[in-house]
Amino acid sequence: AQSVSQHNHHVILSEAASLELGCNYSYGGTVNLFWYVQYPGQHLQLLLKYFSGDPLVKGIKGFEAEFIKSKFSFNLRKPSVQWSDTAEYFCAVTPGAAGNKLTFGGGTRVLVKP
Amino acid sequence: SQTIHQWPATLVQPVGSPLSLECTVEGTSNPNLYWYRQAAGRGLQLLFYSVGIGQISSEVPQNLSASRPQDRQFILSSKKLLLSDSGFYLCAWDTSSGNTIYFGEGSWLTVV
Repeated sequence: AQSVSQHNHHVILSEAASLELGCNYSYGGTVNLFWYVQYPGQHLQLLLKYFSGDPLVKGIKGFEAEFIKSKFSFNLRKPSVQWSDTAEYFCAVTPGAAGNKLTFGGGTRVLVKP
Repeated sequence: SQTIHQWPATLVQPVGSPLSLECTVEGTSNPNLYWYRQAAGRGLQLLFYSVGIGQISSEVPQNLSASRPQDRQFILSSKKLLLSDSGFYLCAWDTSSGNTIYFGEGSWLTVV
């Protein structure tokens, strides 16, 4: 079975700082990769996804993620965060050819101080 | 457009009491339906999924059960809640041809 690890449970940073959230997965086959965000009081939203092609994926709100197959990683980045980026971020994986049963990482709570 | 709703949004229940969380999807037919749980300090865990009416698969052994009485309705139940059932429950849907899953608003359950 696949598993997903997110390295940091909590991240605190100031506005305009750069953000990088680590995500590693364990699965030997083809995978689809996702980053979801949950803002305070709201439900989960899709930030970006990777299925195939360019390993550098652009998402909404200035986020991007890079798929590095050799490292089994899909790290999320944003060059300059805003206070409104305060949220919990989840990395998720689904086997590429086996439907859509997502496996989620433990989540990373990001607090951006104004 | 498709929408998903789940209720109630918050629930405080005593240990040993029953539970029923409901989820409905509109604007699509024959969706795959899912129940996830996010326990405090932990990530999202898939509890149940269903590919059709009456078809339920359980991912983890537990005190909960799920039912799908109609195509777009998914119910999470328990006969007797445990303290460990406390958490944030999310209903979700997708289609067999799609690769993106959509989540409901979530239900906070506190068992006291």
